[in-house]
Amino acid sequence: AQSVTQLDSQVPVFEEAPVELRCNYSSSVSVYLFWYVQYPNQGLQLLLKYLSGSTLVKGINGFEAEFNKSQTSFHLRKPSVHISDTAEYFCAVSSGNTGKLIFGQGTTLQVKP
Amino acid sequence: EAGVAQSPRYKIIEKRQSVAFWCNPISGHATLYWYQQILGQGPKLLIQFQNNGVVDDSQLPKDRFSAERLKGVDSTLKIQPAKLEDSAVYLCASSPGVKDTQYFGPGTRLTVL
Repeated sequence: AQSVTQLDSQVPVFEEAPVELRCNYSSSVSVYLFWYVQYPNQGLQLLLKYLSGSTLVKGINGFEAEFNKSQTSFHLRKPSVHISDTAEYFCAVSSGNTGKLIFGQGTTLQVKP
Repeated sequence: EAGVAQSPRYKIIEKRQSVAFWCNPISGHATLYWYQQILGQGPKLLIQFQNNGVVDDSQLPKDRFSAERLKGVDSTLKIQPAKLEDSAVYLCASSPGVKDTQYFGPGTRLTVL
């Protein structure tokens, strides 16, 4: 069975500071990995995804994530955050066979001025 | 390109009442998903359709929940009768195929009193 653990429920950070949101997964098969962002009262928007190839994945809004197979991690990073990055961030895993996404509990990123 | 449409956006009902949600996926998308997102948790897949056939409904509480996707386009999710623990946001997503990126609608927020 697959599972996802997001290690921080809330991450407060000051504007223009760097941030890392941590995600670990468990799976017995090869996986696809995703980060989604959810703004208040909105649906989920894809930030980036890892399917294969380069372990460093770049996404929208200046975010990037690194796939580490040995540590079963897929941490999300941004070198300088903005107030507008305040949102809920979800890490998800899929085996690819059916497309079913298994989500983590979410991390609330709070960017302070 | 129009996104995934859902209605209603908000619904408040009494326990034991019935409720239905509607989803119109992105045109041409064969795969449609319904997720349940309880407050403070990540989304959980309820049911997945490929065209008008069910791919996965293993986590759908079939004694009270039902879903259909007639003609392989629009879909409805019904709860009858509702329980307090059904209070959640119900998200619809669609993708061209099972291995493609999922695009999410804005969700329907259900409150059961």
